[in-house]
Amino acid sequence: AQSVTQLGSHVSVSEGALVLLRCNYSSSVPPYLFWYVQYPNQGLQLLLKYTTGATLVKGINGFEAEFKKSETSFHLTKPSAHMSDAAEYFCAVSDQTGTYKYIFGTGTRLKVLA
Amino acid sequence: DSGVTQTPKHLITATGQRVTLRCSPRSGDLSVYWYQQSLDQGLQFLIQYYNGEERAKGNILERFSAQQFPDLHSELNLSSLELGDSALYFCASSAEGGPGETQYFGPGTRLLVL
Repeated sequence: AQSVTQLGSHVSVSEGALVLLRCNYSSSVPPYLFWYVQYPNQGLQLLLKYTTGATLVKGINGFEAEFKKSETSFHLTKPSAHMSDAAEYFCAVSDQTGTYKYIFGTGTRLKVLA
Repeated sequence: DSGVTQTPKHLITATGQRVTLRCSPRSGDLSVYWYQQSLDQGLQFLIQYYNGEERAKGNILERFSAQQFPDLHSELNLSSLELGDSALYFCASSAEGGPGETQYFGPGTRLLVL
């Protein structure tokens, strides 16, 4: 069965600093991996996803993530944090038992300090 | 705007009552997923429909039921409500419910059971 672990339920960075949000997955088959962002009182918006091919995936708003099979990781990064990046971020893996439902991590709340 | 609509946005009701949450998927999407987001359980998959048929069930209580209609909109029915059912309920849709597909999330329905 697939699972996702997000290390750090809360992360604080200064504006302009590097953002690094960690996600490790467990999967017995090649995984499909996703990062979503949730702003207060809103739904989830896709930032980026990895299915096959290039392991460095670029997404919206300057975010990117690298799929590392040897480390079973899919960490999300952004070179320079902006105040508008403050939100909750969810890593997800797609179940591959026929439904392709998402299995979400517990989320990381990002705070950006002025 | 994801193209997925959910109504109502907020719902306040009493224990023991029954409510219906409605979801309209993105135009052309055949698959609908329902998720529950709560503080203690995080984001949990409830149920999936594909073109009117139930495809998969997750952690959905027997008091809850859902259906997808011929026009592809879906309803989630919650009955005999308990305090612990208070949560944010999301609907998501994808084209075919297939591997690696992006799921587009609606804004959610926030349910408060008093």
